[in-house]
Amino acid sequence: EDQVTQSPEALRLQEGESSSLNCSYTVSGLRGLFWYRQDPGKGPEFLFTLYSAGEEKEKERLKATLTKKESFLHITAPKPEDSATYLCAVQAGGYNKLIFGAGTRLAVHP
Amino acid sequence: NAGVTQTPKFQVLKTGQSMTLQCAQDMNHEYMSWYRQDPGMGLRLIHYSVGAGITDQGEVPNGYNVSRSTTEDFPLRLLSAAPSQTSVYFCASSYATGGGYEQYFGPGTRLTVT
Repeated sequence: EDQVTQSPEALRLQEGESSSLNCSYTVSGLRGLFWYRQDPGKGPEFLFTLYSAGEEKEKERLKATLTKKESFLHITAPKPEDSATYLCAVQAGGYNKLIFGAGTRLAVHP
Repeated sequence: NAGVTQTPKFQVLKTGQSMTLQCAQDMNHEYMSWYRQDPGMGLRLIHYSVGAGITDQGEVPNGYNVSRSTTEDFPLRLLSAAPSQTSVYFCASSYATGGGYEQYFGPGTRLTVT
């Protein structure tokens, strides 16, 4: 069964304290892995797409990496405005085969 | 561009009532979807459309109906509301890129069924 698991469920960091969020997946055929940011009361906002193992994407303090079994979202020197829930989703086939993880709630304190 | 818009933002229904959640996009995207988001669970696909006049069921379609008469609009109808349909509903539109589909989400509708 296709599955996406994100860990940890929640993460509390001090401002400037770098860390990583994990997204592990088991799918029969990966066609793409997506990271989204979701602020409270809002819809998910697209961050990155990764297609193949070894690929990396960066945006400001965020860097996403992909292996054959998992993806990491590295946050370098986070700021309080990085506080949000980060969602991972895996495209396991056609358009209707997008599987979301439950998300990691990140809180960055000054 | 307004992107993806949804109305209403909040709604309270009584069991058995029906209603329509509205969704519109101005990005000329072919693909549109409806998801529900419940605490501790990932977004789950309710219904989707790959173009005007074409719709299909997702993972959790029971109790919901959709139609797509234009590229821009994709309304979701609750036929007879039940407490199990209390959730946050997101509409998304997307286009194909590489091997996947980048999805753009609306702000959501928070629905409570009593």
